[in-house]
Amino acid sequence: QVQLQESGPGLVKPSHTLSLTCTVSGGSISFGGYYWTWIRQHPDKGLEWIGYIHSSGSTNYNPSLKSRATVSLDTSENQFSLNLRSVTAADTAVYYCARDFDLTGYYDWGQGTLVTVSS
Amino acid sequence: EIVLTQSPGTLSLSPGEGATLSCRASQSVSNNYLAWFQQKPGQAPRLLISGASRRAAGIPGRFSGSGSGTDFALTITRLEPEDFAVYYCQQYGSSPYTFGQGTKLEIK
Repeated sequence: QVQLQESGPGLVKPSHTLSLTCTVSGGSISFGGYYWTWIRQHPDKGLEWIGYIHSSGSTNYNPSLKSRATVSLDTSENQFSLNLRSVTAADTAVYYCARDFDLTGYYDWGQGTLVTVSS
Repeated sequence: EIVLTQSPGTLSLSPGEGATLSCRASQSVSNNYLAWFQQKPGQAPRLLISGASRRAAGIPGRFSGSGSGTDFALTITRLEPEDFAVYYCQQYGSSPYTFGQGTKLEIK
């Protein structure tokens, strides 16, 4: 069974770049048909879709992030990553990585990692 | 952007009762790409239903999804103690994908 695990700094300074990695185990990230996705949840709030990279390499992002987000694949490490530039306190959230196969729903999720933006 | 409105905000019920949660979209959800998730404190969301009515692997039969277009529902028959949680709907038919604000199902 596939497992996803987020990793990265828990504290990021304002105006800096938030960088997170999702390591995939139990399955190859190179297998076709998957949407490798980042989703976040502000403290005690609802869920916000950030964006994805498809197995084909195409990407799609939430316009609310004003082009600050980039999702990329690293097939050699079986990982995918999120870079979010110019962060502010409003970017403080639990960040989840997740995958969807062929638009059948986000069945697999990481456990989530809390990122706090503060000086 | 499609706005999803869930109702009620909080639902207070007892184990053994049935529950119906609503999710209304501001415009039609393409291909009925509507999912339901359950989330418990400190845990990642768990996929229950995709494609409006298709139960995900390992999900008990007491969970069912219905609806099309702009009106969707999640029905839970005979609530078990472990079903008390927050439930979110999500549409993935149009970008950006969006989530509802959640319904909290609490023990009465």
